[in-house]
Amino acid sequence: QLVLTQSPSASASLGASVKLTCTLSSGHSSYAIAWHQQQPEKGPRYLMKLNSDGSHSKGDGIPDRFSGSSSGAERYLTISSLQSEDEADYYCQTWGTGMVFGGGTKLTVL
Amino acid sequence: EVQLLESGGGLVQPGGSLRLSCAASGFTFSSYAMSWVRQAPGKGLEWVSAISSSGDSTFYADSVKGRFTISRDNSKNTLYLQMNSLRAEDTAVYYCAKVLGGSHSFDAFDIWGQGTMVTVSS
Repeated sequence: QLVLTQSPSASASLGASVKLTCTLSSGHSSYAIAWHQQQPEKGPRYLMKLNSDGSHSKGDGIPDRFSGSSSGAERYLTISSLQSEDEADYYCQTWGTGMVFGGGTKLTVL
Repeated sequence: EVQLLESGGGLVQPGGSLRLSCAASGFTFSSYAMSWVRQAPGKGLEWVSAISSSGDSTFYADSVKGRFTISRDNSKNTLYLQMNSLRAEDTAVYYCAKVLGGSHSFDAFDIWGQGTMVTVSS
């Protein structure tokens, strides 16, 4: 079964970097994913599509501070030079015979 | 500007029906698969349904299969979700989303609407 696992929460200081993780279930390590950001009281926003080889394509207007990488079944979203507006929920998404979302990670900027 | 604008949400009694619409602009609507995604209050994102670019193929989450129907009118650049036999657990913000790859029904979502709230309660 295709499942995405995310840590429920993460925190980092203003100006620092943070690396969020999304883990694909066993047997699905070759799957691409997408990362989405949801700021409080707003709809989701597409950040990037991330392939198993670490290559990624970002959405329009997404700052260079956001980058993606991959290792095995792990897919990462790294946000550098954290700003207050980066405080949000981050969801990973993948697809097979349907669409699948991870449970989301709530990022707190200290 | 690429935009998706949902409408049709509201308060409905259990067992009732509601039809959501999503008006698309700024891209060639007929070239892309589309989906509905919902988010219950305080919860994460849940995929609901998808439709191919032509409308010939439709897909549903088990939680809504047999109750919801997705459709599209490419001449009107509009996506629909007909929701019947609504339950309290269908209460959520409903988002429409555009799929990145034109030839695939399933791919990354690259454009999201702002959402419309559906409340199922007596």
